[in-house]
Amino acid sequence: QQPVQSPQAVILREGEDAVINCSSSKALYSVHWYRQKHGEAPVFLMILLKGGEQKGHDKISASFNEKKQQSSLYLTASQLSYSGTYFCGTEDFGNEKLTFGTGTRLTIIP
Amino acid sequence: DAGVIQSPRHEVTEMGQEVTLRCKPISGHDYLFWYRQTMMRGLELLIYFNNNVPIDDSGMPEDRFSAKMPNASFSTLKIQPSEPRDSAVYFCASSQHPTGRLYGYTFGSGTRLTVV
Repeated sequence: QQPVQSPQAVILREGEDAVINCSSSKALYSVHWYRQKHGEAPVFLMILLKGGEQKGHDKISASFNEKKQQSSLYLTASQLSYSGTYFCGTEDFGNEKLTFGTGTRLTIIP
Repeated sequence: DAGVIQSPRHEVTEMGQEVTLRCKPISGHDYLFWYRQTMMRGLELLIYFNNNVPIDDSGMPEDRFSAKMPNASFSTLKIQPSEPRDSAVYFCASSQHPTGRLYGYTFGSGTRLTVV
């Protein structure tokens, strides 16, 4: 079953912050985040393993709450280059493959 | 390394024709994945290989779809006969781990397939 992402789309002005959420109905071993720009391939951003860790990548960071089976991606002081569709991919226990969410389209305007 | 290489980038074909999509993974990546992306269903895993052996093909829609990996540097996804509902972007990805746990998946640029 696909993880659910929210919101489906968001429009921000440059410099504003955004939060993208990913929820699963299954117990998760890891959560992965990818960004896809229009007409291009998805690009790996980061992975979070069970243990409730939080990771950062420039001004993009993420957290993983394994008890709630949720992950959130935080984009701080957004830049025009952050525009694209963000996908979470979830790995549940005993199932060695990723299932991707439906994506969140982020548009940054000047 | 040039990354994951897919061909062709675009394919337009008539319903009923055979379509073959090609992929060259990154050297040293033991896992190769075929995904299909549509607006309605997002990124769907069709099949994946480990060391050229198909491991999970549960996502392959029906018998019209087949995939092969004759060696570590080449894979094909074939649709025969093609139907308009097969229109989508098909991505190939490779990794050192089945879930990309170390460094994630590296995706190719995709093949945009249009069946008319």
